Amino acid sequence: DAKTTQPTSMDCAEGRAANLPCNHSTISGNEYVYWYRQIHSQGPQYIIHGLKNNETNEMASLIITEDRKSSTLILPHATLRDTAVYYCIVRLANTGNQFYFGTGTSLTVIP
Amino acid sequence: EAQVTQNPRYLITVTGKKLTVTCSQNMNHEYMSWYRQDPGLGLRQIYYSMNVEVTDKGDVPEGYKVSRKEKRNFPLILESPSPNQTSLYFCASRTRTGGFGELFFGEGSRLTVL
Repeated sequence: DAKTTQPTSMDCAEGRAANLPCNHSTISGNEYVYWYRQIHSQGPQYIIHGLKNNETNEMASLIITEDRKSSTLILPHATLRDTAVYYCIVRLANTGNQFYFGTGTSLTVIP
Repeated sequence: EAQVTQNPRYLITVTGKKLTVTCSQNMNHEYMSWYRQDPGLGLRQIYYSMNVEVTDKGDVPEGYKVSRKEKRNFPLILESPSPNQTSLYFCASRTRTGGFGELFFGEGSRLTVL
């Protein structure tokens, strides 16, 4: 599975959009991009995933570049409860073993 | 409610005293895994299991044992705990058929070894 690079930390003003980048330049054609987040010391929680097309759900939007070498997770209206560590992971769906979580991006939403 | 349940959530023990952290899932998932999380090191996989009676080492298996006698349970065993096993532990599960392989995590077990 491809590895990812994320900034260590980011701040965002409450109510503004939070844009979290992720580089995955070695991604292969059939690997998905997944995003998880971990609030404080709780278990990581799935947010969204995508292959090629941009995706949106009730939590966030995922924008994947055309060459698939990078992606951005967008939280459209960040709230204080979105303060968390966000992990970007690339892997094959439903195969293999590992989810490489890395150290993620620590997002702080500021009032 | 679909969930992964870990027990105990918090435990303080002493070096050498055997302990078991239980993990149970109610989603009929084939795959289960244990992670430990330490400051600055992210989540690291200890052991995983692809199905009943099938287990394998992850990245940091030393000092741990697991078993998978039933599909729903995947206990983590520390035969002789040491202080370097003080950590936050997470159990996770996912299906291997259908869906997109989303991992479901338990709430975590914070272990302190004195």
